[in-house]
Parts: sequence; C-alpha cells; structure tokens
Amino acid sequence: DTGVSQDPRHKITKRGQNVTFRCDPISEHNRLYWYRQTLGQGPEFLTYFQNEAQLEKSRLLSDRFSAERPKGSFSTLEIQRTEQGDSAMYLCASSLGYAGLEYNEQFFGPGTRLTVL
Amino acid sequence: DAKTTQPNSMESNEEEPVHLPCNHSTISGTDYIHWYRQLPSQGPEYVIHGLTSNVNNRMASLAIAEDRKSSTLILHRATLRDAAVYYCILMNAGGTSYGKLTFGQGTILTVHP
Repeated sequence: DTGVSQDPRHKITKRGQNVTFRCDPISEHNRLYWYRQTLGQGPEFLTYFQNEAQLEKSRLLSDRFSAERPKGSFSTLEIQRTEQGDSAMYLCASSLGYAGLEYNEQFFGPGTRLTVL
Repeated sequence: DAKTTQPNSMESNEEEPVHLPCNHSTISGTDYIHWYRQLPSQGPEYVIHGLTSNVNNRMASLAIAEDRKSSTLILHRATLRDAAVYYCILMNAGGTSYGKLTFGQGTILTVHP
C-alpha cells in the first residue's frame, strides 16, 4: 500500500501521560499536514511541514504539542501532559506542492484516535 | 479565509442524482473551490476542484455560478458508497496558506437503497 499511514490507529491514555503519533506520508510528497477532528466537526488544521521545515502552526497547537519531520519523510506528533480535551482523531495528510501549482490535492491517512481518560 | 455555507444534511435515493450546494459569497478572484468528502471512519478524500468553469471527473461534476458566489457538487448517480460528509473549501492559490485546508461543518449525505 503506497498511501499515507498512521500509527497507532487507536491510543487510550490516562490524563497527564505523554503520547506520540507517527505519520508516514506518500514517499515523493514534500508537504505534510496534521489536523485534529473532534466528533461531529470538520478537521482543524494544526501544523504544516515543507520537507523538514515546520512552516506554520495553528493557535490550536499549545506548547504541550510538538511536531517534527526530521528528514523530510515521516513525521511525529507528541502531546505532553495529555488532557481530556485532547481526545480526538488526529489526521495526517501529505501532498506534492510547489509555488505556482494550481492545486494541492491532499491525501489523508486513516487517523489516530486518541482517548484520554 | 473566505467562508463557505453548506446545508447540514441531505438525503438521496440510490441511483438518483444528488446536487450538493455551497455558498461562498465572499470568494476572491484567486480562490479555488475544492470539494473533499469523508466516508465513515476514514480520512477525507479529494473529490474535485475548480476556479471558474464547470469541471467533470470520474467521481463528480462541479458547477460554478457565473458570479462564483455559489457552486454545486453533482453526483450523477448516487450509490450507497457515496454516503459521507461532503466539505466545500476555498483555497487561495496566491496566498501563503501552503495548501492547508479549512474545513467547515460539511453536508452529511445519506443515501437510501
């Protein structure tokens, strides 16, 4: 399968614990995005990487959240000191993008569902 | 980002056409209209996009009003597999959004057998 993969698919943790999610994008894609989706809502943008550079972070991304894409390939999203309000689906997407490209179709992974008890 | 307005839900019967409307009265000249859909328990997937002219692909058609303040996603023959949440999203090609998607609530499409 050459699509976007995410690991784990489900994570249950206790409040205050740290969790880390991994995203493997489509191999030739230079852009990688993280989104968060709560029940009944559309996904919300969290952060964006172009290759290994993190170019934009949403205000939703508090200082407890950190994301990396060390070699411009896979990415990790870490949440420290989890809170119950962090319970959500965390979606990763990748795309091939460059200046002047008319559109930027994003390919989404299946998501990681986080439950904070 | 310019906003879009969609009905919360719509229903259709299998093998009938479905017209999903989207209003975007504050659209700018460089905003592209994108549609994504999200099937149950899956991540969103791209459906179609356009700027001014109507567009067709294997999944759907996109009809864009002459003033570009509204558009309609057309599924020509709905199947049960088309039951999903459909999102209409504006993306400014000339900005610095790097292609990030700003999702609204979307339209929940129910398809009846």
